[in-house]
Amino acid sequence: DARVTQTPRHKVTEMGQEVTMRCQPILGHNTVFWYRQTMMQGLELLAYFRNRAPLDDSGMPKDRFSAEMPDATLATLKIQPSEPRDSAVYFCASGLQPGPRETQYFGPGTRLLVL
Amino acid sequence: AQSVTQLDSQVPVFEEAPVELRCNYSSSVSVYLFWYVQYPNQGLQLLLKYLSGSTLVKGINGFEAEFNKSQTSFHLRKPSVHISDTAEYFCAVIPSLTSGTYKYIFGTGTRLKVLA
Repeated sequence: DARVTQTPRHKVTEMGQEVTMRCQPILGHNTVFWYRQTMMQGLELLAYFRNRAPLDDSGMPKDRFSAEMPDATLATLKIQPSEPRDSAVYFCASGLQPGPRETQYFGPGTRLLVL
Repeated sequence: AQSVTQLDSQVPVFEEAPVELRCNYSSSVSVYLFWYVQYPNQGLQLLLKYLSGSTLVKGINGFEAEFNKSQTSFHLRKPSVHISDTAEYFCAVIPSLTSGTYKYIFGTGTRLKVLA
């Protein structure tokens, strides 16, 4: 049963610290997405990649957030420095290719709390 | 600008009763429409989608939705719910002019609580 995995599942950190979240997409999927879910804003697309190249990161605060795909089996989302307003659940999703006809498969999320 | 409205933030319903979760969208262009379900402490899972063709779409777990272009709605229905359907449900759209991308616009979600 192929699944998207995310680590860590939970993270508590203090303001100013660096946070790294990792995602392993489903094997063979070449499109990876990062979402953030908060009570106030709901679900927001932060960035997405195709074949490891960023296609759109317009939803991501550029000054503190960065997203990369070092290889086809790993995507990372970093926050440096973290702030309390970054507290949210961060989801990674993967798909075969961009476009609404392709299903996105979501991971279980990383629940981040910044104190 | 496109937007998605889910008017009901919470919907309680008794087990085996029917349920309808409402979704309305605003868009100046045609859209693709989706319903996702999120079980507690899990990621989102696709229930169904409308891309074109028949306006009645059947999905997993006995859910269906009907696209109504004149009312710009895509309401989700199930004739008989189970306790296991307790979850949060999200309606989403992708404007068709951006169909080469994955720019979902999500609603705020409806929490379905099925009561025994």
